[in-house]
Amino acid sequence: AQSVSQHNHHVILSEAASLELGCNYSYGGTVNLFWYVQYPGQHLQLLLKYFSGDPLVKGIKGFEAEFIKSKFSFNLRKPSVQWSDTAEYFCAVNAPGNQFYFGTGTSLTVIP
Amino acid sequence: SAVISQKPSRDICQRGTSLTIQCQVDSQVTMMFWYRQQPGQSLTLIATANQGSEATYESGFVIDKFPISRPNLTFSTLTVSNMSPEDSSIYLCSVVRGGQSGEQFFGPGTRLTVL
Repeated sequence: AQSVSQHNHHVILSEAASLELGCNYSYGGTVNLFWYVQYPGQHLQLLLKYFSGDPLVKGIKGFEAEFIKSKFSFNLRKPSVQWSDTAEYFCAVNAPGNQFYFGTGTSLTVIP
Repeated sequence: SAVISQKPSRDICQRGTSLTIQCQVDSQVTMMFWYRQQPGQSLTLIATANQGSEATYESGFVIDKFPISRPNLTFSTLTVSNMSPEDSSIYLCSVVRGGQSGEQFFGPGTRLTVL
């Protein structure tokens, strides 16, 4: 079965610091990859997604993620975080036509 | 995007009772799912709600405990039956747009507390 691992459970950063959240998945076939964000008290929202093509994907609010197939990874990055980035971040994997698998989430706290 | 609403947004229930959660989507969708997000944990898929047929449940979830209805392509309900405190969780409805490689959209969730 597929699984998704997020190694950072809770990250605390100061504003302007750089962010990288790890995501690894286990599945040998073609996958679709997603990062979702859940701001306090709000819905889950899609941050970015990878289906095919350029492995460096740019999303909303300055976030990007790089798909490294050989490492089964899809790490999320942002060069300079803001206080408003405080949220829970979930990595998700979907084999086309199959269900979505979510990581356990990473709670990001940005200190002003 | 898809607009998804859920009712109720939150509820506090007594042990042994049942709660039915409604999910309404602004347009027809083929794929609709119910998830549970327990405190401090990730999302766990409960079942896929199938229109016109029985829901498909994931391992660890059974129809008697979580009966699901899907009368049409825009609406579904999830019932949490004979509740216990362990059922306290956020229950989320989600849909997929764009076919098999589509994006998943989530409802606002229903926060359930069982006393």
